[in-house]
Amino acid sequence: QSALTQPASVSGSPGQSITISCAGTSSDVGGYNYVSWYQQHPGEAPKLMIYDVNNRPSGVSDRFSGSKSGNTASLTISGLQAEDEADYYCASYTTSSTRVFGGGTKLTVL
Amino acid sequence: QVQLVQSGAEVKKPGASVRVSCKASGYTFTSFYIHWVRQAPGQGLEWMGIINPNGGTINYAQRFQGRVTMTRDTSTSTVYMELSSLTSEDTAVYYCARGARYLDLWGRGTLVTVSS
Repeated sequence: QSALTQPASVSGSPGQSITISCAGTSSDVGGYNYVSWYQQHPGEAPKLMIYDVNNRPSGVSDRFSGSKSGNTASLTISGLQAEDEADYYCASYTTSSTRVFGGGTKLTVL
Repeated sequence: QVQLVQSGAEVKKPGASVRVSCKASGYTFTSFYIHWVRQAPGQGLEWMGIINPNGGTINYAQRFQGRVTMTRDTSTSTVYMELSSLTSEDTAVYYCARGARYLDLWGRGTLVTVSS
């Protein structure tokens, strides 16, 4: 199972919106609505931000949203804030009942 | 308090095995799957496998098949991950995390260092 494909880095200024893509195949992202997104600050464990493509857990800001089209999922962060600077990972369920992560995207808030 | 508490850091020699524990508290242990995810220094997250504490059903990532063993002890609400034939490439932080389709609760991680 190959890792999902994410851009290595994205950046944006405070208040702007950014989108992080997560490309997979019909065996993972495209085959199920089971894409999730995780935020990880340095030295910390990952934190769930989006589940089942476009659902936010309680306590996660509504500035975070998710979507999917075909084999590609996306995470959008609107109204960028300094605290959003972190690494972001997508993950998907797969046809073999395993899970696969993306390679991660480093978000820099300029 | 709902949490996953992992065992402490380990230093192992190449060829050895390591066992990391993950103790669940604050929720019904058998109601949620547990995943193991690792992260090598400066690298991304890598999914290793999943265990169902209710019955013990397991599914491992193909690249770890034959080298990883996940078990659970329902009497202590603890899940274990054992990785054998360690090499320097297994140096990483190992996380346990709760969930099925998504991972909503993570342990703080256990650093495993493989060095001669």
